[in-house]
Amino acid sequence: EVQLVESGGSLVRPGGSLRLSCAASGFTFDDYGMSWVRQVPGKGLEWVSSVNWNGGSTRHADSVKGRFTISRDNAKNSVYLQMNSLRAEDTAFYHCTRDRGIAATGVFDFWGQGTLVTVSA
Amino acid sequence: DIQMTQSPSSLSASVGDTVTITCRASQTIASFLNWYLQKPGKAPKLLIYAASTLQSGVPSRFSGSRFGTDFTLTISSLQPEDFATYFCQQSYSIPRTFGGGTKVEIK
Repeated sequence: EVQLVESGGSLVRPGGSLRLSCAASGFTFDDYGMSWVRQVPGKGLEWVSSVNWNGGSTRHADSVKGRFTISRDNAKNSVYLQMNSLRAEDTAFYHCTRDRGIAATGVFDFWGQGTLVTVSA
Repeated sequence: DIQMTQSPSSLSASVGDTVTITCRASQTIASFLNWYLQKPGKAPKLLIYAASTLQSGVPSRFSGSRFGTDFTLTISSLQPEDFATYFCQQSYSIPRTFGGGTKVEIK
């Protein structure tokens, strides 16, 4: 059974940093691209970042470019999101997702439950 | 960025009804259109990808189609477990973008 379990969300002050982690199991991790998608509670979905199977290709939304960095460790079956210079508008649930295929295809076939990041003074 | 306009934003229906949700892309996305279902407090779940391909395990009452830059999700014979919010999403280009969602409620 595919499982994606996020951790690392918390309350942080504007300008602060957080590192989100996603532990994957139930599939061959390095056969898939991975992504992060966020959702303000009760609102819509926003793609944040994607990484291909070996970490050699990463993409980020303009709203987080230069502040967030996605990475992965295939030896640990994990994907990460380093979040710096956090702003109030970054407050959301952050979902780890699996992409269909080795590349970051943008088809998110499995999702984690999400971890809540709250940016507030 | 490609804008995805989803309609209606909400609808009321009864068990057994056929429901259609529409998603329009602001430019061509070929058939790179995906549909997700989300229940309250749960993570989204992939229903359909590439406009009309059913994800493994998804019931056949769900179907998708494409008409140029217009896409539809049809749910035939609505079941109690189908009352949820549905999102479309394009995977044609970066940034990936989602529609605003359609909440399907019980009439």
